[in-house]
Parts: sequence; C-alpha cells; structure tokens
Amino acid sequence: GAGVSQSPSNKVTEKGKDVELRCDPISGHTALYWYRQSLGQGLEFLIYFQGNSAPDKSGLPSDRFSAERTGGSVSTLTIQRTQQEDSAVYLCASSLVGAYGYTFGSGTRLTVV
Amino acid sequence: DQQVKQNSPSLSVQEGRISILNCDYTNSMFDYFLWYKKYPAEGPTFLISISSIKDKNEDGRFTVFLNKSAKHLSLHIVPSQPGDSAVYFCAASGASGGGADGLTFGKGTHLIIQP
Repeated sequence: GAGVSQSPSNKVTEKGKDVELRCDPISGHTALYWYRQSLGQGLEFLIYFQGNSAPDKSGLPSDRFSAERTGGSVSTLTIQRTQQEDSAVYLCASSLVGAYGYTFGSGTRLTVV
Repeated sequence: DQQVKQNSPSLSVQEGRISILNCDYTNSMFDYFLWYKKYPAEGPTFLISISSIKDKNEDGRFTVFLNKSAKHLSLHIVPSQPGDSAVYFCAASGASGGGADGLTFGKGTHLIIQP
C-alpha cells in the first residue's frame, strides 16, 4: 500500500482481556518496528523485524507481549491479560533495510479500562 | 535513564521568525540523529537527519546542527510557518543503524507558531 496501515485505530478493552494489534507495512519494506507512546512520554522501542525474524525481543515490556510477522509483510502485536499501564498509542513503522528514516503508521490508541 | 532529552515541552514562536528546538543526548555510541514531526492523530513523519561525521545538514527551511563534544543537537526552522505547528521528536541511533536496537526518542517539543 501507499503507507503503513494500522488497525484498529482505537481499541477500548477491559482489564484482563487479550488484544491484537495489526500492522500492514509499505510493500517491499523488509524492516518493521513496533513502538509505543504512553501519555507524556517519548516513543519507546518494542521490537524490530527483519523479514519474519525478530533478533531481539528484550524490548517487549513483559511476557504478556508477543509479536509476529508472516510472509515478510503483516505483523501483529498481541497483549495478553491487558493491564491499565498498557494504555498507550502503539505505533508501527517500516523501512528499507539500512534506511534510517522510518515511515510510521497512524497508530492504535489502546485504552484499558 | 533518558538517553535523549528534549528539555522544552513546548515552544511558542511568531510566524516568520526562527524556531530553534534543542536536544541533548548522553550515549556517546549514538552516531546518527533524526528529527520527526508529528501532528495529532497521525504517526510521526521523518523530517531531517544528520550523521555524526557532520556538524550541519540543511534541507530547505530546516537545518540540523550537531555539536558532538557537547552531545547536543538543534533543529532550526526559518522562516517559521503556521503549518510547522506540531510536536517535534529528536531521535538517535547507534552503530546498528536503528535496526535491532531501534531508535531512541526524546519526549518531544510542542512547537506553536503564532500568527
């Protein structure tokens, strides 16, 4: 597609429920990133995919968070047993390998009530 | 411990004047720096970048200056226009090129251009 597409744009969920966030990167971009922005904070790096592989998952905040990417394209970020501190805007970005200027999606605003 | 700091949460500048946004970093391993611009309800968009081997990079109305010894960079916008009103994020990358380590972002500065 023309840009990075994220869905849903907004998600309100009850504490303890699982949520799945989706990212559809720019076609041909092999690098994909997930970030989150909590209220009043900068962007926090979560995970990077090169193709379908994530070399380092240590940026994920807890073991309730997981991410996968299939076919070198769409990625999903799953949060299990959501907590109120998970409330944030989750941003996905993609780029060509070695390119520093990512293209970000518009994000998913997650609210855990 | 914040490795990239933007100490001004907001900045108000008159239209036509120069806007100067500042950023400090602590990690001497950072070797590439970027500025992103973000409008409400949109993702950040890449604006301009600079490698640590340079001290200045210019693109139209936007110039980024890097002072490695002071671990400080700044973004100059001249002349400032109403459409420049947005949140500006400073970001830095280490030798991995922003890949597996991602980019480290500051908290952002909200620039408001007054008519």
